[in-house]
Amino acid sequence: KAGVTQTPRYLIKTRGQQVTLSCSPISGHRSVSWYQQTPGQGLQFLFEYFSETQRNKGNFPGRFSGRQFSNSRSEMNVSTLELGDSALYLCASSLVGQNYGYTFGSGTRLTVV
Amino acid sequence: TQLLEQSPQFLSIQEGENLTVYCNSSSVFSSLQWYRQEPGEGPVLLVTVVTGGEVKKLKRLTFQFGDARKDSSLHITAAQPGDTGLYLCAGALRGTGGFKTIFGAGTRLFVKA
Repeated sequence: KAGVTQTPRYLIKTRGQQVTLSCSPISGHRSVSWYQQTPGQGLQFLFEYFSETQRNKGNFPGRFSGRQFSNSRSEMNVSTLELGDSALYLCASSLVGQNYGYTFGSGTRLTVV
Repeated sequence: TQLLEQSPQFLSIQEGENLTVYCNSSSVFSSLQWYRQEPGEGPVLLVTVVTGGEVKKLKRLTFQFGDARKDSSLHITAAQPGDTGLYLCAGALRGTGGFKTIFGAGTRLFVKA
């Protein structure tokens, strides 16, 4: 079966702009989680969506938001981009939740200049 | 703040050597996962351990979950260059909104031929 698909793979944006990243989970997986990965901070949890509802949220400012559609596809949005938002953004899907591990996508590399 | 401390941070060894990576916390986890990540890609799930004291083997990799479900180790026997990568442990914590997963900072392994 197809894996987790994230688009785009690479993105360069200017400070102050906004960006939307997309994630298509494995077919049948209803839980989608988003993580930010940087060399200094490692993987930091952004939020988890399950059946179109945000079930968990990490400690990120309100500029970071997300949503999930009825087909389980998810998007995350970052508004008013800052240089520090440069990171690899990873989407992970799982059948019902986080307890048994994730299948990750290849990520979107966001560079803010 | 829940933390998952992983050690060592960096390991450079010769092909054929054995190594152990440790993951420790003061929190009790519902499950613990190990992932391997290669440059430019998302982490790939290697194993999930659920029961205290559980040992799982995956070819030359042996994973152990501590009796109290607060720590874990990954042992690689006769390491090969193909084992090179970033190894991440992740613990799932049960909360009111389902599970929350926290990641260790990772162990970067380099196996020289």
